Amino acid sequence: GAVVSQHPSWVICKSGTSVKIECRSLDFQATTMFWYRQFPKQSLMLMATSNEGSKATYEQGVEKDKFLINHASLTLSTLTVTSAHPEDSSFYICSAMSRDNPDTQYFGPGTRLTVL
Amino acid sequence: QKEVEQDPGPLSVPEGAIVSLNCTYSNSAFQYFMWYRQYSRKGPELLMYTYSSGNKEDGRFTAQVDKSSKYISLFIRDSQPSDSATYLCAMSAGGYQKVTFGTGTKLQVIP
Repeated sequence: GAVVSQHPSWVICKSGTSVKIECRSLDFQATTMFWYRQFPKQSLMLMATSNEGSKATYEQGVEKDKFLINHASLTLSTLTVTSAHPEDSSFYICSAMSRDNPDTQYFGPGTRLTVL
Repeated sequence: QKEVEQDPGPLSVPEGAIVSLNCTYSNSAFQYFMWYRQYSRKGPELLMYTYSSGNKEDGRFTAQVDKSSKYISLFIRDSQPSDSATYLCAMSAGGYQKVTFGTGTKLQVIP
């Protein structure tokens, strides 16, 4: 149980384009989902917290107009990197909290974004 | 001072050794403590989850929490090469509060 999927697992795009990453909780309802980015050999950096049906809460220094988050249902959250640039290249990981176990996060496998 | 401190390693041990991984923290509100394992280019995988102080054992893994010292540990017995990964400690105050992660300790188990 508690499986979280992400799609795509990797993506390469040209500078200036937008990329959408999906995060799904497959076997549980996730009232809260989190988006992280991770640079090589560094820990997870929380970007935003997403609650179903409401606006995401962004961490300090994260541009909400650049990283659009939508949490339309209890099993799906999307992160759109708008007008991507090479410095946005990173490993993006989502996690989800189960409604039944709100103190543990389950992570997706991550999406590796490379912006050329 | 960071809320959660974790030695980044790398830590190299021979196969079969007992591994001790540790984190210290400063926020006394933390009540939930987790250990995640992350293989290269993969998302973190939840290994152990404990609430408040005490020990929890699951197979070769034992998690310890000492809230009085603000210190948590993960022990791996009979370590295997497949245990080679980065181990992240994580903790939260609960109630949908955000989770704070350590920087991770890279472990290498040498056959």
